[in-house]
Amino acid sequence: SQKIEQNSEALNIQEGKTATLTCNYTNYSPAYLQWYRQDPGRGPVFLLLIRENEKEKRKERLKVTFDTTLKQSLFHITASQPADSATYLCAADSNYQLIWGAGTKLIIKP
Amino acid sequence: DGGITQSPKYLFRKEGQNVTLSCEQNLNHDAMYWYRQDPGQGLRLIYYSQIVNDFQKGDIAEGYSVSREKKESFPLTVTSAQKNPTAFYLCASSIRTTNEKLFFGSGTQLSVL
Repeated sequence: SQKIEQNSEALNIQEGKTATLTCNYTNYSPAYLQWYRQDPGRGPVFLLLIRENEKEKRKERLKVTFDTTLKQSLFHITASQPADSATYLCAADSNYQLIWGAGTKLIIKP
Repeated sequence: DGGITQSPKYLFRKEGQNVTLSCEQNLNHDAMYWYRQDPGQGLRLIYYSQIVNDFQKGDIAEGYSVSREKKESFPLTVTSAQKNPTAFYLCASSIRTTNEKLFFGSGTQLSVL
């Protein structure tokens, strides 16, 4: 079955460093991937969308890559700040729906 | 300010009771969605609607019902047939029916008494 997998372990990063989160997909090839941020008790907030024909997309301190050979998307936050601490969700299209990863919790330590 | 409003924030359901979660948007979006979020799992689609008076089942529609009588409103009813309703429920909308760039409400936490 189609799957989206994100690292379930929390990622601890020192403030100012680059945080890199991984999203792997199996058993299919999505036309696009999306990344969302979710704070505790809140709804997800859309960050970036990258299509299969795009290798990289940037928005301020955020960068997303899409590697169709490795079946993987990487999400980078440069110059990380404690305010970036949250859970980050990856979602991929599949048959007119989205398949969601369980999210990776990112903790930025001052 | 434009956005999606979900209410209530917290809801408790008694055995055998139906409860309705409200979702209203003033973004003029065509598509609306209901997701369920359980700890350690990805969001799962319950129902979605691409146009007024039409809606489609998602992967876990059993025990739930929806209506879309107005573009702005997409209420979700959790019926007594849903045996494990405790979860965080999220309503979302998108400007087109392509599942791209979803706007989410702040969620409703439903618990069973």
